[in-house]
Amino acid sequence: DAKTTQPNSMESNEEEPVHLPCNHSTISGTDYIHWYRQLPSQGPEYVIHGLTSNVNNRMASLAIAEDRKSSTLILHRATLRDAAVYYCILTPNTGANSKLTFGKGITLSVRP
Amino acid sequence: DTAVSQTPKYLVTQMGNDKSIKCEQNLGHDTMYWYKQDSKKFLKIMFSYNNKELIINETVPNRFSPKSPDKAHLNLHINSLELGDSAVYFCASTQMRQGASPLHFGNGTRLTVT
Repeated sequence: DAKTTQPNSMESNEEEPVHLPCNHSTISGTDYIHWYRQLPSQGPEYVIHGLTSNVNNRMASLAIAEDRKSSTLILHRATLRDAAVYYCILTPNTGANSKLTFGKGITLSVRP
Repeated sequence: DTAVSQTPKYLVTQMGNDKSIKCEQNLGHDTMYWYKQDSKKFLKIMFSYNNKELIINETVPNRFSPKSPDKAHLNLHINSLELGDSAVYFCASTQMRQGASPLHFGNGTRLTVT
């Protein structure tokens, strides 16, 4: 399975934008880029996903590099409730979605 | 209203016992999973079922036996519990087993084996 690399942690201030980076240099042409987050004592929560083009939804934006070897999750205005572990995951579009493999993720702290 | 619900939320038991965790999803999804999150917070897939059929068994000891009575339910039975089985177990579901389909997770069952 293609691997992703994320920083261990990041801090941000409330109400400011946050850019969470992810490197995936071994991504294959059919891999989707998914982001999930896990709040304390909860299950992982789907945030956003994309293939080649940048994506926006009510939670966040996903910026994908032109060569697809990296991506950035953008939270436009961080709130205290956004403090969580964010996982960047590659999922092959081959019917093997069950191979969703979580790494360590990046722990986001939000300062009031 | 909960989309993916697991019971119980907490489970404390002794070594050697047999226990079950239940999972139900009301999203109409046809694929369900069990994940295990250990003390180091790594999430690892254990099993995947599609329309009651076992699709993935990720080298899990055969003391763990999933059962899917219908596509809305996936239960996990664990025999002869060991200390190393202590973890948080998450159930998840998705509409289709394709790369674009997001997973919906339950809030986990914290299993403590003493």
